[in-house]
Amino acid sequence: LAKTTQPISMDSYEGQEVNITCSHNNIATNDYITWYQQFPSQGPRFIIQGYKTKVTNEVASLFIPADRKSSTLSLPRVSLSDTAVYYCLALTGANNLFFGTGTRLTVIP
Amino acid sequence: DTEVTQTPKHLVMGMTNKKSLKCEQHMGHRAMYWYKQKAKKPPELMFVYSYEKLSINESVPSRFSPECPNSSLLNLHLHALQPEDSALYLCASSHGTTGVNQPQHFGDGTRLSIL
Repeated sequence: LAKTTQPISMDSYEGQEVNITCSHNNIATNDYITWYQQFPSQGPRFIIQGYKTKVTNEVASLFIPADRKSSTLSLPRVSLSDTAVYYCLALTGANNLFFGTGTRLTVIP
Repeated sequence: DTEVTQTPKHLVMGMTNKKSLKCEQHMGHRAMYWYKQKAKKPPELMFVYSYEKLSINESVPSRFSPECPNSSLLNLHLHALQPEDSALYLCASSHGTTGVNQPQHFGDGTRLSIL
């Protein structure tokens, strides 16, 4: 199983760019890196997914280096509403649906 | 609002009660999941259904009994639960057989309290 490791918590001021790094040293060839966001008392919400290099959508960017042993979720110009827990997963199959500890991001006014 | 609907939102039950949690999706997804989440912890996978057949049971105690009546519905039957079973129970769905490269769509869960 591709275990992921993330910082437990991060603080950021409003308007700043936030980068959350995830380590996945034993990622498998077919694993995709997937990020979810979770607010209190809600289910996780899909943010972004990628395999290599860079992926960008309307809310975030995902940077994956060539060795794929880590990845970085980038949130541009965060607002107070971005305060949440962010989970990184390496997804490949039925037996790999395990969430890591997640990173609790707190955005400060 | 989410595309995966879970009912009830809150449930309080005694240890001798029998109750059921319900989950519904109309996105045409063929994989559905149950997770358990304790406070300040990540979701833990319990069961996976693929094309209405149970494909994964993560060594969950038999007091939890899943059921998938059709491709849109997923139930979790509860019986003789323990206080430590109090948690947020999340349902999710995804295209295809499992979560392979296919993001899961989560409901907002049922908050279960066992007295």
